[in-house]
Amino acid sequence: AAGVIQSPRHLIKEKRETATLKCYPIPRHDTVYWYQQGPGQDPQFLISFYEKMQSDKGSIPDRFSAQQFSDYHSELNMSSLELGDSALYFCASSLSRGLSPLHFGNGTRLTVT
Amino acid sequence: DAKTTQPPSMDCAEGRAANLPCNHSTISGNEYVYWYRQIHSQGPQYIIHGLKNNETNEMASLIITEDRKSSTLILPHATLRDTAVYYCIVRVDNYGQNFVFGPGTRLSVLP
Repeated sequence: AAGVIQSPRHLIKEKRETATLKCYPIPRHDTVYWYQQGPGQDPQFLISFYEKMQSDKGSIPDRFSAQQFSDYHSELNMSSLELGDSALYFCASSLSRGLSPLHFGNGTRLTVT
Repeated sequence: DAKTTQPPSMDCAEGRAANLPCNHSTISGNEYVYWYRQIHSQGPQYIIHGLKNNETNEMASLIITEDRKSSTLILPHATLRDTAVYYCIVRVDNYGQNFVFGPGTRLSVLP
């Protein structure tokens, strides 16, 4: 079965640079979520989108922005990167209707040097 | 969403049943119990969820007490590959609303 696809798998950036992470949800899933997981920490919710509109917002820094496109894929844009942004970034998708759980991708590991 | 409490760690012998408890004493009537697990640095994996009835699928069973204040995830025959952090999450089933992870139970399956 098709899963959530995230790209790239690994990304190395320098401080103050920008990064864009991409997420392709499971086909027909209309809701996308972004999570950040620092070393030794639990996944922390950043933001979610339903039908291309922001539906919930968590601890996403102002330097970060995200959007969901007409084909339901989503991008997380991070600017003025800081060392503390080094983390695993997970995307998840779900169906808005019914009791649909979140299905996660395998993440993008961002390293800021 | 209701807060959950889980033991920080548990051990289980390979081949035995692993019973992971979760306390959610402030759960509301429209909140579901979800279980996820995360194997080292992989994306969290959905296991099972339920409202008030016990549920079973190919991965596990979920037992929810009658008052819904606690639940137990049962892995019937644990293998080494089941070593992971297990998260119990209580959430209203609304689209776009996030799942709150943590702290979870670190299950170690021992040979």
